[in-house]
Amino acid sequence: SQQGEEDPQALSIQEGENATMNCSYKTSINNLQWYRQNSGRGLVHLILIRSNEREKHSGRLRVTLDTSKKSSSLLITASRAADTASYFCATSRSGGGADGLTFGKGTHLIIQP
Amino acid sequence: GAVVSQHPSWVICKSGTSVKIECRSLDFQATTMFWYRQFPKQSLMLMATSNEGSKATYEQGVEKDKFLINHASLTLSTLTVTSAHPEDSSFYICSARKEGQGPIQYFGAGTRLSVL
Repeated sequence: SQQGEEDPQALSIQEGENATMNCSYKTSINNLQWYRQNSGRGLVHLILIRSNEREKHSGRLRVTLDTSKKSSSLLITASRAADTASYFCATSRSGGGADGLTFGKGTHLIIQP
Repeated sequence: GAVVSQHPSWVICKSGTSVKIECRSLDFQATTMFWYRQFPKQSLMLMATSNEGSKATYEQGVEKDKFLINHASLTLSTLTVTSAHPEDSSFYICSARKEGQGPIQYFGAGTRLSVL
């Protein structure tokens, strides 16, 4: 079953603008991850945020986590054409990673040159 | 690095035949690998967890006799779609965990299966 719901489902912005995607989940979590999927390809891990963290940065990525609202957001600053992809949040039943991931529905991001 | 190779990337088969998909961790050992299925414009659904040397754990609703998983070594897991039917047409993606990196998973490039 799908754990997360991404919002928006699709987002089209101009190159150089910031892109914000949101994810909500239903159960308690130990951590939350964001992955990127280019069309017809596998997924690439972007960033992991633990349940005791509120915000995390990695390059042009900024992730927030609000466990009280069971939601997370991914911000991509100064977007580039190469950022065009689908973005998924993912959670796991266990914190150690022995379980598979439950993915949200994803946000399809299009960066217009 | 942590590279996962999946083969083939695309396969077309006739209804009733079986198809084997391989997932290899190229530069690390993976005691646990995972198999997902993705329909067009949808998210990934976990099918099963594959543990080296033991039987795979299947998610609810996934037929274990139809989707045979074998994890015979620390670098190879295979998914065999048996007696494939058109409704099995989908994008199948494997992933692997690397020890010491918690829940982060490294994904193969996926296999697009088309059953005629």
